[in-house]
Amino acid sequence: QVQLVESGGKVVQPGRSLRLSCAASGFTFSDLAMHWVRQAPGKGLEWLAFISYDANKKYYADSVKGRFTISRDNSKNTLYLQMNSLTAEDTAVYFCASPSSVGNKPSGAFDIWGQGTMVTVSS
Amino acid sequence: DIQMTQSPSSLSASVGDRVTITCQASQDISNFLNWYQQQPGKAPRLLIYDASTLETGVPSRFSGSGSGTHFTFTISSLQREDIATYYCQSYANDITFGQGTRLEIK
Repeated sequence: QVQLVESGGKVVQPGRSLRLSCAASGFTFSDLAMHWVRQAPGKGLEWLAFISYDANKKYYADSVKGRFTISRDNSKNTLYLQMNSLTAEDTAVYFCASPSSVGNKPSGAFDIWGQGTMVTVSS
Repeated sequence: DIQMTQSPSSLSASVGDRVTITCQASQDISNFLNWYQQQPGKAPRLLIYDASTLETGVPSRFSGSGSGTHFTFTISSLQREDIATYYCQSYANDITFGQGTRLEIK
């Protein structure tokens, strides 16, 4: 079945770096654009980053631009989020998500989500 | 940047009630709006896309309407399993979520 599984979340000290992974299965990963979305404890959803199917286009939210880098390895069916200079405000559950190619859904409609991985930035 | 203002932030209703949530965009976004349901501890689930198109498998008691800057999400007859937080999301220029509406059973 179609599945996204995030990993890499953990407790990390302020100022340190962390890389998250999102493993895809059950669909042709190399056909789809991918996104990262996060949710701070008790808060709403915040879109972070986009990468096109071929990695030629990347976009970021202002809140993470210059600190976070989205990338993908289509040979490994895996999406990544490299996070640098982490602060307490980056504490959140991080989701990978994608608009599937099923039906005529628009590219901004995320119908595939992972379960999320928790990142805690604390000394 | 487009801002999405969702209201109310929380609401309490009884089983069988009609429930309505609104989402206001800071500028015209045509119909580039989706609605998601997020149950506690779970990932969001797409319910409605393009403002009014029901995602496959989503019960017909859910509906959406609107265009431009004003959008509405409706549950025609609230069920216990609908307890969740609901988010609107614009994808007009960038991706922006509303702040969410927490729905509780009265």
